[in-house]
Amino acid sequence: DIQMTQSPSSLSASVGDRVTITCRASQTISSYLNWYQQKPGKAPELLIYAASSLQSGVPSRFSGSGSGTDFTLTISSLQPEDFTTYYCQQSYSTPRTFGQGTKVEIK
Amino acid sequence: QVQLQESGPGLVKPSETLSLTCTVSGGSISNYYWSWIRQSPEKGLEWIGHIHYTGSTNYNPSLKSRVTISVDTSKNQFSLKLTSVIVADTAVYYCARRLGVGGGYYMDVWGKGTTVTVSS
Repeated sequence: DIQMTQSPSSLSASVGDRVTITCRASQTISSYLNWYQQKPGKAPELLIYAASSLQSGVPSRFSGSGSGTDFTLTISSLQPEDFTTYYCQQSYSTPRTFGQGTKVEIK
Repeated sequence: QVQLQESGPGLVKPSETLSLTCTVSGGSISNYYWSWIRQSPEKGLEWIGHIHYTGSTNYNPSLKSRVTISVDTSKNQFSLKLTSVIVADTAVYYCARRLGVGGGYYMDVWGKGTTVTVSS
């Protein structure tokens, strides 16, 4: 199985801050990397697919980049509704695997 | 707008079979792949497997011996069966639609999730 490792596991930031979350795959996965946002008690929601494609309806402050084994999710200006947990997921091979999550907290 | 809804028992006894159904509304189940994912504090998000509307399946090897995913196109539903459950199968179970081509697959629509507890 491909292991996905996110860093940091949690971070503290303020409204308006630029935030970057990193996801590293245990082997190359080309650009087959997705990012999801999950709010407490809710299902994950797709933010970014294929490493850098913004899902329809997702605010443009979210962006993704990377290929191979290293990927980043960037939130250009944190909004109050963005303080929650984010997951990466690889779709290069089965079984699909997720990162352990990064919780973005209010400083 | 496609919506998914999981249904099934919230409590299952150890060694018994967990059975869940996902009902697709607002669109057809045809022409897509459909997935099951579960989430627990211990294991995080775990992909269980997926099924094409034609019935072809792909399962997580860690669960393959106990999992069956099936589809009923006449009812616009797909289902999950997990046999011989143990306490570690306690989780929130989600169904989701898979989109994408050529490896760039992603899950764009998710159900709200249903909590299944394994306990005697």
